[in-house]
This record gives sequence, C-alpha cells and structure tokens, in this order.
Amino acid sequence: AQKITQTQPGMFVQEKEAVTLDCTYDTSDQSYGLFWYKQPSSGEMIFLIYQGSYDEQNATEGRYSLNFQKARKSANLVISASQLGDSAMYFCAMRAPYSGGGADGLTFGKGTHLIIQP
Amino acid sequence: DAGVTQSPTHLIKTRGQQVTLRCSPKSGHDTVSWYQQALGQGPQFIFQYYEEEERQRGNFPDRFSGHQFPNYSSELNVNALLLGDSALYLCASGEAGGVWYEQFFGPGTRLTVL
Repeated sequence: AQKITQTQPGMFVQEKEAVTLDCTYDTSDQSYGLFWYKQPSSGEMIFLIYQGSYDEQNATEGRYSLNFQKARKSANLVISASQLGDSAMYFCAMRAPYSGGGADGLTFGKGTHLIIQP
Repeated sequence: DAGVTQSPTHLIKTRGQQVTLRCSPKSGHDTVSWYQQALGQGPQFIFQYYEEEERQRGNFPDRFSGHQFPNYSSELNVNALLLGDSALYLCASGEAGGVWYEQFFGPGTRLTVL
C-alpha cells in the first residue's frame, strides 16, 4: 500500500520569498511517480510537477522544483519567488504504473494550505 | 481541444436517494478515474475504468458503482446516499497506452447530501 504524509496543515509566507512544502511517502513499489497538485478555492486540481522514481535529476517546472531524496522517501515542493496567486491548497500524491498499461489511482496526502501575504 | 468535463457542477440530494455523476475524458484518453474529496481532506481514489470495465478499486463500499461507455465517457453512481457522501467528486482521465503518469482532472461535481 502507498502512503503520503504532509505534516504542514498550513503555512504563511511573505510574497517573493521561497517556500518549501514537505512530503514524505511510503511504498513497496520500485517504479512509481510523485506528483504535486495545486487546488485553488474553485476546486480544480492543477498539475504542477512530476518526478519519476528512476529520475536522477530533480524535476523543475518554471518556479516549481521538486527536491527528491529517494533514500529518505521525501519529495518536497519548492516554490521560488512566491506570488499572491500561489495561495491555495497543495497536495502531494503518488501512483505506480499499471501492469496492463496506464497507471494506478493516485494516493494523495492531506494537503498544505499555503497563504501568501503581501 | 476540450479537457475533462464533468456534470453537473453542483447537486443537492437527500439521504437515501441515488445520484449519477458524469464525466467526459480529454480527447484521446481512454481511462477514467473517480475520486472523492471530503471537505478539508485530500482526494481519495474510488475506482478506475478502462475498456468499459472497472479495473481497480479503492476502499469504497458497493454503494459506489460506475460505468464506462464505448466513447470512453463515464458515470459514477452512488446509491442510498449518506450524509458522509457529501464531497467534491473529481474525475480524471489518462491514456493507457501513452505516458503512464499523465492524468488530467475535471472541475469536479460538488454533492451535498441533506
């Protein structure tokens, strides 16, 4: 079974500062993917970044980067130069590839509510 | 190119009733997954459909059932509604033969059970 732990229920950060959202995971799968999603108050789930378990380089997407430490089973999201529009819920998730093609369902953490202050 | 669409946007039901939620996947996608997100929680995986069959299921009772049609669209049915079924229901689509980690979410259906 897979498990995602996000230990920060909420965070307040000053605009333009960098922020790190913590995520640890547990799985017995050798091949898996780690994801971060942003969910604004509107409810839509917006994909931010993906890291494969065999990827040696940390994933980056614009202002988002994923600090992947496989031995520690952690996949922290780093947002550089935070903006007011970054205020939202952030979810860490994981899934494994499915033997028949495609992938398993995502396992999500409980999320971190990030508030960017001007 | 339309993304994942869901209907209705909002729904209010009473305990004991039945509800059907609908999802159309992104063009080119053939798998559909459903998630339940209770207030203040992360989404929980309900089940996944591929080739019109349920191929994986999370820890949800049989009151939750689904269907996938030949055009890959899907329905989620919940029978004998409980107050605890009030949640945002998210649909996500992917491509079984494509990049396995890609999955696109719809805007969700917010169900309120009174």
